[in-house]
Amino acid sequence: GENVEQHPSTLSVQEGDSAVIKCTYSDSASNYFPWYKQELGKGPQLIIDIRSNVGEKKDQRIAVTLNKTAKHFSLHITETQPEDSAVYFCAASMGNAGNMLTFGGGTRLMVKP
Amino acid sequence: KAGVTQTPRYLIKTRGQQVTLSCSPISGHRSVSWYQQTPGQGLQFLFEYFSETQRNKGNFPGRFSGRQFSNSRSEMNVSTLELGDSALYLCASSLAGQGSNEQFFGPGTRLTVL
Repeated sequence: GENVEQHPSTLSVQEGDSAVIKCTYSDSASNYFPWYKQELGKGPQLIIDIRSNVGEKKDQRIAVTLNKTAKHFSLHITETQPEDSAVYFCAASMGNAGNMLTFGGGTRLMVKP
Repeated sequence: KAGVTQTPRYLIKTRGQQVTLSCSPISGHRSVSWYQQTPGQGLQFLFEYFSETQRNKGNFPGRFSGRQFSNSRSEMNVSTLELGDSALYLCASSLAGQGSNEQFFGPGTRLTVL
């Protein structure tokens, strides 16, 4: 089955700096890659996603890049703010397998004011 | 539009008991998936229901089961609870039955097994 690795497990940055979280996946059949943000006591919140026919997607301060050949994708957050502090999860799924998501282990991002 | 709702939010049970958790998807969403979240194992897929049929199942024992009703609401059941079943159980809903669609999570049910 699919395996998703996520790095780093913790990331501390100064407010205003950029943060990058990287994930690799094992199954070349995966074609959908969402990113979730989870705050304490809440469920994961979808923040951005990318499909395999696209190499990059941006939404304000957040961007995701996908390298299908290398089977890795990354989340980029620019101009970080204290409210960006949370746990971030990457995930992968295969279109023909329904909506089953395989998650990475998570990255705890701390933005210091 | 109301989000995904899960009830109850917190639950305490003892070993050997069974438990039923409920999930109401976003209006119009027909696919409901369940995930277990623990500090050790992270987020793991349990199963997915679409149009009242289980479409996918993760690697969990048969003690974990679920169902979906005609209004898309879903329940999951865990029988003969074990200490290791203590976790946050998350439900996610999706608009259509095909893959590669956005899934929206509820706040979860925190289950503690004593």
